[in-house]
Amino acid sequence: NAGVTQTPKFRILKIGQSMTLQCAQDMNHNYMYWYRQDPGMGLKLIYYSVGAGITDKGEVPNGYNVSRSTTEDFPLRLELAAPSQTSVYFCASSYSQGTYGYTFGSGTRLTVV
Amino acid sequence: GEDVEQSLFLSVREGDSSVINCTYTDSSSTYLYWYKQEPGAGLQLLTYIFSNMDMKQDQRLTVLLNKKDKHLSLRIADTQTGDSAIYFCAEVSGGYQKVTFGTGTKLQVIP
Repeated sequence: NAGVTQTPKFRILKIGQSMTLQCAQDMNHNYMYWYRQDPGMGLKLIYYSVGAGITDKGEVPNGYNVSRSTTEDFPLRLELAAPSQTSVYFCASSYSQGTYGYTFGSGTRLTVV
Repeated sequence: GEDVEQSLFLSVREGDSSVINCTYTDSSSTYLYWYKQEPGAGLQLLTYIFSNMDMKQDQRLTVLLNKKDKHLSLRIADTQTGDSAIYFCAEVSGGYQKVTFGTGTKLQVIP
């Protein structure tokens, strides 16, 4: 059972470049989430999805986009990378609305130079 | 405010007990959680407590909840070097079950 799989683990982008962070889960969870983690700042919610075809903004959505065409996949798109997007990105999923906690991926460390 | 607050750092000797504290924001929070993050890894759910409970014990872990003061604590008995990690508390609140994470407490266990 793989759980939540994120790729890539590390990436360096130049300012203005685009990329997609991939996230896949094999637990048939309806709810999926993208967080960013900055030092000393905890986790901030970027986007979330309550099921295939349904997405919504979190606390810090600017500069990001998401899609949810299947239950399993929830990719995060950065269109014009900026240094402020240097962070560690975590994808998570949950069976219900997170009542019994989230399952997290191992993260993608992104540096924008 | 909106922040879930934790102290940034805690250092204990191996074999001692560790107590990690958290102050949350929403008195109507239904569930409160403790997550553990080891270096280079994602967050792993350690335990959770319902808001109608005062205490929950799970092997070496004891969670205490003081709803009046909106204070949550995690006690780790007989702390081991493998317990070295960052510990996050989190609360579920709001109409759409928004989860708010604390800033994390880095636990250092000295052999």
